Amino acid sequence: QSVLTQPPSVSGAPGQRVTISCTGNSSNIGAGYDVHWYQQLPGTAPKLVIYGDNNRPSGVPDRFSGSKSGTSASLAITGLQAEDEAYYYCQSYDSSLSGSGVFGGGTRLTVL
Amino acid sequence: QVQLVQSGTEVKKPGASVKVSCKASGFSFTSYGITWVRQAPGQGLEWMGWITTYNDKTKYDQKFQDRVTMTADTSTNTAYMELRSLRSDDTAVYYCARVPGYSFGFAPWGQGTLVTVSS
Repeated sequence: QSVLTQPPSVSGAPGQRVTISCTGNSSNIGAGYDVHWYQQLPGTAPKLVIYGDNNRPSGVPDRFSGSKSGTSASLAITGLQAEDEAYYYCQSYDSSLSGSGVFGGGTRLTVL
Repeated sequence: QVQLVQSGTEVKKPGASVKVSCKASGFSFTSYGITWVRQAPGQGLEWMGWITTYNDKTKYDQKFQDRVTMTADTSTNTAYMELRSLRSDDTAVYYCARVPGYSFGFAPWGQGTLVTVSS
């Protein structure tokens, strides 16, 4: 059972917009820790796509955006492309675990 | 370019130890921390801990506290993760990643090291 909760799967057609939620509590996201998002393509290492709640690393398309409110965060992908099909994980920290890192369980994005 | 290159596949017997290396290049090694994350087959990501390379300060997840040791060799820009008393459920891909701090995420990641624990 992951500390951060994500939906197991989401899907969308090419060109559409999808969002992936990440729900925590007052010890992690709600405590003010930043939320980061990673994309993992099959058989590869994860790649950072959003850091610090809503910042894109260099090279990540502006179709990817992040937001945070209260004890939850979201990753939005607009103009969905086939290459976006992957697993997505949110990550933060938890004060009840002495500041340890925590991940969501992951969401599989399918491009229809 | 900024890169982390990990050591190769390991096969261990239950009760043994494994030490995975992570060699950094393209950045100032002592200006960043190194974190370790594992992924069991078909499962999600699991944070194990991290080391701040300039002072060897470590923080481990409670789950691994008694079995893991993370170290860093600043002369070779290499981080290490040793896991002891291996069990079959330690079979996983182990990743290292660079971390500037709480607000910046983990990037880049090493390519991963598969550790298989089997009798």
